[in-house]
Amino acid sequence: QVQLVQSGGEVKKPGASVKVSCKASGYTFSTYSISWVRQAPGQGLEWMGWISVYNINTNYAQKLQGRVTMTTDTSTSTAYMELRSLRSDDTAVYYCARVSSSERGFDYWGQGTLVTVSA
Amino acid sequence: DIVMTQSPDSLAVSLGERATINCKSSQSVLSSSNNKNFLAWYQQKPGQPPKLLIYWASTRESGVPDRFSGSGSGTDFTLTISSLQAEDVAVYYCQQYYGTPQAFGPGTKVDIK
Repeated sequence: QVQLVQSGGEVKKPGASVKVSCKASGYTFSTYSISWVRQAPGQGLEWMGWISVYNINTNYAQKLQGRVTMTTDTSTSTAYMELRSLRSDDTAVYYCARVSSSERGFDYWGQGTLVTVSA
Repeated sequence: DIVMTQSPDSLAVSLGERATINCKSSQSVLSSSNNKNFLAWYQQKPGQPPKLLIYWASTRESGVPDRFSGSGSGTDFTLTISSLQAEDVAVYYCQQYYGTPQAFGPGTKVDIK
């Protein structure tokens, strides 16, 4: 069965960087894109961007341009999201999600990774 | 950018009654190439990731109970829970995946009255 398993929670100081991993299993990793979505405490869902595992094309939310990088490692079927220059308002649960190949939206989600930014 | 809005912010419905959530996009999400609306609905329960319920505005994802239905086209969409069950207490989000950024609506919280 399809699974996306994310890395554990992180506590970071303002200005630091964080790299969250998302290990996929149960499907052919290279044939789907991965999106990243975050959710601040008590708030809604914010789309951060996506990466095509097939051709490594990326598309990032404009507000995160320059601070976020999404990558993949096909040898381990793992996607990564790195966010730099962390601020307190980056505190959120970060989710990876598989982008359906048949244009059905995001059909599988990771369990989420809480990133806390605090001095 | 396409902006998504939802109404109401929250609603409380008696068990077995109908719940209706509205979603509006600032631009049409109807694709002229395949005549499909690139609009999805997700359910999120506390402490869990979102779950895909509906895609193409009205197609239920496999395994989703048939009390959930989606309708609408272009810019106006509706999610209906025909007979609310206790396990349906959650926040519901619409999302457009027609263009980037693939924005979500702000969410509608559904509770039991």
